[in-house]
Amino acid sequence: DTGVSQDPRHKITKRGQNVTFRCDPISEHNRLYWYRQTLGQGPEFLTYFQNEAQLEKSRLLSDRFSAERPKGSFSTLEIQRTEQGDSAMYLCASSLGIGVSSGNTIYFGEGSWLTVV
Amino acid sequence: EDKVVQSPLSLVVHEGDTVTLNCSYEVTNFRSLLWYKQEKKAPTFLFMLTSSGIEKKSGRLSSILDKKELFSILNITATQTGDSAIYLCAVEAYDMRFGAGTRLTVKP
Repeated sequence: DTGVSQDPRHKITKRGQNVTFRCDPISEHNRLYWYRQTLGQGPEFLTYFQNEAQLEKSRLLSDRFSAERPKGSFSTLEIQRTEQGDSAMYLCASSLGIGVSSGNTIYFGEGSWLTVV
Repeated sequence: EDKVVQSPLSLVVHEGDTVTLNCSYEVTNFRSLLWYKQEKKAPTFLFMLTSSGIEKKSGRLSSILDKKELFSILNITATQTGDSAIYLCAVEAYDMRFGAGTRLTVKP
């Protein structure tokens, strides 16, 4: 499968624990996005990378959230001291080039479901 | 801050009806507007619109963008139960922002 892959697909954790999600974009895609989505809502933008540079970070992203893309390939999203309100699906997407308007399609992963109990 | 607003948030129709979904936006450095359909998993791409007034069509779905009034509509004619999904509007500017979605339910 050469699509965007995310791991783990499901995670149940106790409140206060740290969790990390990984996203492997399509090879050579240099733009990578993270979104959070709760049931019945559209994806909320969290952050995006152009290669290894994190170009923008949403104000929704508290200090407990951090994302990295150290070599411009895979990315990790870490949530520290999880809270019940963090329960959501975390979606990763990638595209080639500077964005979809350049004619590049954005591809989504299947998402990582987080449940904080 | 950039905003993408969709309406209605929820819509219930019967098979054969025609529906119109709305998306308005306020963003800096607009590049394109995209429509996605989301069922149980990740969103799937429907249309990308960059120019005003040019209708994009795919089967029973069509969409148009108005860059002066900052909105787009997605039309679905002769709806089928398989059209039941959340329809997402996203605007690409410096990044890509999504609206909350319109949950469409098509009853037999």
